[in-house]
Amino acid sequence: DARVTQTPRHKVTEMGQEVTMRCQPILGHNTVFWYRQTMMQGLELLAYFRNRAPLDDSGMPKDRFSAEMPDATLATLKIQPSEPRDSAVYFCASGLGWQPQHFGDGTRLSIL
Amino acid sequence: QQQVKQSPQSLIVQKGGISIINCAYENTAFDYFPWYQQFPGKGPALLIAIRPDVSEKKEGRFTISFNKSAKQFSLHIMDSQPGDSATYFCAAKKTDKLIFGTGTRLQVFP
Repeated sequence: DARVTQTPRHKVTEMGQEVTMRCQPILGHNTVFWYRQTMMQGLELLAYFRNRAPLDDSGMPKDRFSAEMPDATLATLKIQPSEPRDSAVYFCASGLGWQPQHFGDGTRLSIL
Repeated sequence: QQQVKQSPQSLIVQKGGISIINCAYENTAFDYFPWYQQFPGKGPALLIAIRPDVSEKKEGRFTISFNKSAKQFSLHIMDSQPGDSATYFCAAKKTDKLIFGTGTRLQVFP
């Protein structure tokens, strides 16, 4: 059963540190999404790529967040410097055309 | 601006009962309406979805009812089971983007 794989599953770090989250989309999927889930804001779209090209990052704080797809099998989301308000669960999802998005199990990030 | 409104926030149902979750949207450009189920520690998983040219879709115990004129859609879970206890999110898609509702925490008691 094809799955979106996210690493690490949990990350605890101190404020000011760089955080890198990784995602391996389902093989053959050409669209990759990054979401953030918090109790207050729910599920928010941060950015997404199609065929490795960034299409929309309007949901992402530009000053500290960056998203890339070095190749078709890897997407990364970086936060530098991290802040306590960045604490959340970050989900990666992938899709192909009209097919529904498939989500990974997320990275639970805690910034102390 | 919340484009997809979901209610109720939480729902408690007896085993065997019917669970109903409602969503309303504002943007008529939405063209696909999925429901996702999320268990603790897991990512959202697609449960069932509908397009706006269909008024109802049923898959097993799960049914989506869609009212295009009212811009509302709902999820019905028949014969609810304790294993259905999870958080349910409605969503609406425009181009590639999914806009999610705020979620409904469903608890089904034996």
